[in-house]
Amino acid sequence: KQEVTQIPAALSVPEGENLVLNCSFTDSAIYNLQWFRQDPGKGLTSLLLIQSSQREQTSGRLNASLDKSSGRSTLYIAASQPGDSATYLCAVSRNRDDKIIFGKGTRLHILP
Amino acid sequence: GAGVSQTPSNKVTEKGKYVELRCDPISGHTALYWYRQSLGQGPEFLIYFQGTGAADDSGLPNDRFFAVRPEGSVSTLKIQRTERGDSAVYLCASSFGGPAYNEQFFGPGTRLTVL
Repeated sequence: KQEVTQIPAALSVPEGENLVLNCSFTDSAIYNLQWFRQDPGKGLTSLLLIQSSQREQTSGRLNASLDKSSGRSTLYIAASQPGDSATYLCAVSRNRDDKIIFGKGTRLHILP
Repeated sequence: GAGVSQTPSNKVTEKGKYVELRCDPISGHTALYWYRQSLGQGPEFLIYFQGTGAADDSGLPNDRFFAVRPEGSVSTLKIQRTERGDSAVYLCASSFGGPAYNEQFFGPGTRLTVL
């Protein structure tokens, strides 16, 4: 059974710092991996999707990497801003028509 | 609106009662998903519709939970004989195709509280 773990569970950093969020998964046979953002009281927003054949994806100040063989992904946020404060969730799927399995998320607080 | 909408936004009910939660997906999206998110947890998959039929209902926790999508658009999640453990935020999402291949767009959720 696939399990997704995110470390740390919570993180506070001063504005302007670069930071890394970690995600690990137990079954390396994945189709893709996604990073989502969730703001309090709101739904999820997809940030980045990495196919199993890819090593990384970038969008603006965000960069996500994937090491499928070791079951790890990282989300790098450059030059953090208070608006980045949210919960970041990692999720994987086994194939294109399979459900996605989420981690518990990392609650990020950027200190102004 | 252009996004996924869910009603009600909050629902408080008593143990043993029946509740219905509604999801309006983005127009044209063929796939619709229900998730349950408990405090401090990630979303937990419940069921996925492709059109009118349930393509995967393996996440429904027991037979008190049931979902329908009769016309391939709006979906209703139905919970019978609610229990306090059912308290959670129920999220709905929709996409053009399969769950992993296409981006899912999420609604704001319905917060269910069972007293």
